[in-house]
Amino acid sequence: QKEVEQNSGPLSVPEGAIASLNCTYSDRVSQSFFWYRQYSGKSPELIMSIYSNGDKEDGRFTAQLNKASQYVSLLIRDSQPSDSATYLCAVSKDGVTGGGNKLTFGTGTQLKVEL
Amino acid sequence: DTGVSQDPRHKITKRGQNVTFRCDPISEHNRLYWYRQTLGQGPEFLTYFQNEAQLEKSRLLSDRFSAERPKGSFSTLEIQRTEQGDSAMYLCASSNRGTGDGNTIYFGEGSWLTVV
Repeated sequence: QKEVEQNSGPLSVPEGAIASLNCTYSDRVSQSFFWYRQYSGKSPELIMSIYSNGDKEDGRFTAQLNKASQYVSLLIRDSQPSDSATYLCAVSKDGVTGGGNKLTFGTGTQLKVEL
Repeated sequence: DTGVSQDPRHKITKRGQNVTFRCDPISEHNRLYWYRQTLGQGPEFLTYFQNEAQLEKSRLLSDRFSAERPKGSFSTLEIQRTEQGDSAMYLCASSNRGTGDGNTIYFGEGSWLTVV
């Protein structure tokens, strides 16, 4: 079993729709969870971090965490063509001030937002 | 620019040659990380430093790989006797332990290595 699992996609959504990206992790001691966006040929860019169960909203993005189910998701509202990218889920065993121990990444989900 | 800086951005080398990558982290960030990413995969952890101390190395980091951070600022990653399987993007990242933003890791733009 992979430590962090994501559906590789591609996930295709029409412009203006909600895109839902999912991630599961295997290590129950994981404390910090991140979503990175990566455009083709570029480096990962942090979108959201979440540390507690529940929802966290930032603009069009909402991260959801359920530690009991070992599940993290990212919702993108009003999807735009510029959101087309690969979305990487990453987990860490460090807490919020832990300094960022190593991140374990999933393989990423490719999102395509169609006109 | 106050982001993580990597050099060179692209390197093509012949199999068997040595290559070295440099990373300058965000100023005052005390942690520095190296990751490797191949096509279709997420980044894989290689090693990290807390100031000048190398605290963890992945089993992915064979004896041909060595990383240093001599003064706790910039870091170098050297690959000796390169193999075609070393072709990848090498990502450097940094974070600042002990701050409210301490668990946020910021990536540089990456150094692409092609071994021919």
